[in-house]
Amino acid sequence: GQSLEQPSEVTAVEGAIVQINCTYQTSGFYGLSWYQQHDGGAPTFLSYNGLDGLEETGRFSSFLSRSDSYGYLLLQELQMKDSASYFCAVNMGKIIFGKGTRLHILP
Amino acid sequence: SAVISQKPSRDICQRGTSLTIQCQVDSQVTMMFWYRQQPGQSLTLIATANQGSEATYESGFVIDKFPISRPNLTFSTLTVSNMSPEDSSIYLCSVDGETGNTEAFFGQGTRLTVV
Repeated sequence: GQSLEQPSEVTAVEGAIVQINCTYQTSGFYGLSWYQQHDGGAPTFLSYNGLDGLEETGRFSSFLSRSDSYGYLLLQELQMKDSASYFCAVNMGKIIFGKGTRLHILP
Repeated sequence: SAVISQKPSRDICQRGTSLTIQCQVDSQVTMMFWYRQQPGQSLTLIATANQGSEATYESGFVIDKFPISRPNLTFSTLTVSNMSPEDSSIYLCSVDGETGNTEAFFGQGTRLTVV
């Protein structure tokens, strides 16, 4: 089966940079995605890595290394509205989600 | 992108009854996915629904408990049958974006409470 591990919680300060790591034990997937979910809301897509390397989308960047079975989401210039849960997910004809990381942002 | 309408948004049901959740998409999509999410937990895939064929269920989920219909390329239903309090959860439907399997779009979810 598939297994994606993330830290359960991360705390950072407004304006800072935070990195959320994702390690996985799966194979045969097309790429690694990241989703954001605010309390009471639906998950929303943030980023996708089909190839190894860094993808940048505004304040968010995501990285994938298939050889290390590892990826991360980097959030820059943190804002209070970034307080949410973040999920890594593998795309393999269906999408399987990691356990999620709750990001707390301090003013 | 895809806009998904899911209903009901929430319901409180008696144990032993069944609830059918509907999911309507504003465009034709090949696959639709049904997830379950316990509060504060991750999303667990229940099944993949393809039009014209039986749904494919993930380990731990069976058709008798979660029958799925997919009558056309824009609509699907998930029924939670013979409910127990353990079925209390948020149920979400999802579809792929136009770029294929690189991103998913979600309905707003159905918050189910079984009493």
